[in-house]
Amino acid sequence: GQNIDQPTEMTATEGAIVQINCTYQTSGFNGLFWYQQHAGEAPTFLSYNVLDGLEEKGRFSSFLSRSKGYSYLLLKELQMKDSASYLCAVKDSNYQLIWGAGTKLIIKP
Amino acid sequence: IAGITQAPTSQILAAGRRMTLRCTQDMRHNAMYWYRQDLGLGLRLIHYSNTAGTTGKGEVPDGYSVSRANTDDFPLTLASAVPSQTSVYFCASSDSSQGADEQFFGPGTRLTVL
Repeated sequence: GQNIDQPTEMTATEGAIVQINCTYQTSGFNGLFWYQQHAGEAPTFLSYNVLDGLEEKGRFSSFLSRSKGYSYLLLKELQMKDSASYLCAVKDSNYQLIWGAGTKLIIKP
Repeated sequence: IAGITQAPTSQILAAGRRMTLRCTQDMRHNAMYWYRQDLGLGLRLIHYSNTAGTTGKGEVPDGYSVSRANTDDFPLTLASAVPSQTSVYFCASSDSSQGADEQFFGPGTRLTVL
């Protein structure tokens, strides 16, 4: 079966750095996406990785290792507004997104 | 309209009733999707459409139907609602189903079936 694993919840301090991990087992791989979802709102796109390595976009970076079935999202200089759930999703061989349950990130002052 | 809209925002429905959730996008995207989101679970794909006139089944299609008569609209129908269909429903769209095209999500419909 297909599976995306990420931690259920993480806590970090304002101004710090946090890494959210995602491991996956899917039938085929056509890219990995990270989305942010604030409570009661819709998911919004953060990043896309299809090749191994690091993609940097401002305070957010995403890393992919296809051989290990592993990705992480790195958030730097944390702000209170970063309190949200972070969703990892893999596009499988049928080009459908398989979603993890999300990691709820709590930022403390 | 800017982006993707859904209606209603929320609904309480008696079991056995028929219900259609509406979704409209103005981005001229080819692909559209319906997901449900339940606590502790990832988004699960119900149905999708890669282009107007075509639809496909996702991971959890039972009890739901869709149509795609034109590019902009993608309604989801519950023929006879059951309590297990209580969930938050998100409609999404993307330029294509392949590659790096991100999916844009509507604001969601919170459905409660009693």
